[in-house]
Amino acid sequence: ELKVEQNPLFLSMQEGKNYTIYCNYSTTSDRLYWYRQDPGKSLESLFVLLSNGAVKQEGRLMASLDTKARLSTLHITAAVHDLSATYFCAVHSNTGNQFYFGTGTSLTVIP
Amino acid sequence: DGGITQSPKYLFRKEGQNVTLSCEQNLNHDAMYWYRQDPGQGLRLIYYSQIVNDFQKGDIAEGYSVSREKKESFPLTVTSAQKNPTAFYLCASSIWGQDGTEAFFGQGTRLTVV
Repeated sequence: ELKVEQNPLFLSMQEGKNYTIYCNYSTTSDRLYWYRQDPGKSLESLFVLLSNGAVKQEGRLMASLDTKARLSTLHITAAVHDLSATYFCAVHSNTGNQFYFGTGTSLTVIP
Repeated sequence: DGGITQSPKYLFRKEGQNVTLSCEQNLNHDAMYWYRQDPGQGLRLIYYSQIVNDFQKGDIAEGYSVSREKKESFPLTVTSAQKNPTAFYLCASSIWGQDGTEAFFGQGTRLTVV
């Protein structure tokens, strides 16, 4: 079974600071996804990373993928309160066409 | 507008009742999925379907049943055999595209046992 681990699980950071969320997965995959979830809401797609070395940026968020290390990172630059949410990474398995989700990182940005 | 519609948004179930959660998509996606999310937890796969009239169990299928009679619809029934059904249920669909496979989610159904 493919396992996806995120760390940290909880992150409290001050506005203006930088931080990185890590996502490790247990088997070969070249498709990695980042989602955002606001409390009580559904998941919103942030990034789709499809190849080794892929880097995508949107505003204060930047995601990267290292398929050899089986590691993806979500870097937050100069955090603002609006970024407070839970962030999930997910890996797609070609076997059975399933998505495996990490446990999520609950981010709170403190003014 | 294309999307995934889940209904109802909130659902209350009495002990021993079966309830059905609706999931409809007009994205022409082949694959559909049901996930369960407990408070402060990640997503766990209940069932998924790659094509019409075919579906497979996920990690926590016990106490649940599904059908896929139409491409657009993938209803989930929470049976009385599911002893702890209170959770947030998310339906998703996916298709292979230029940017690979990506899962799109409905707005979720919050089920509470009363």
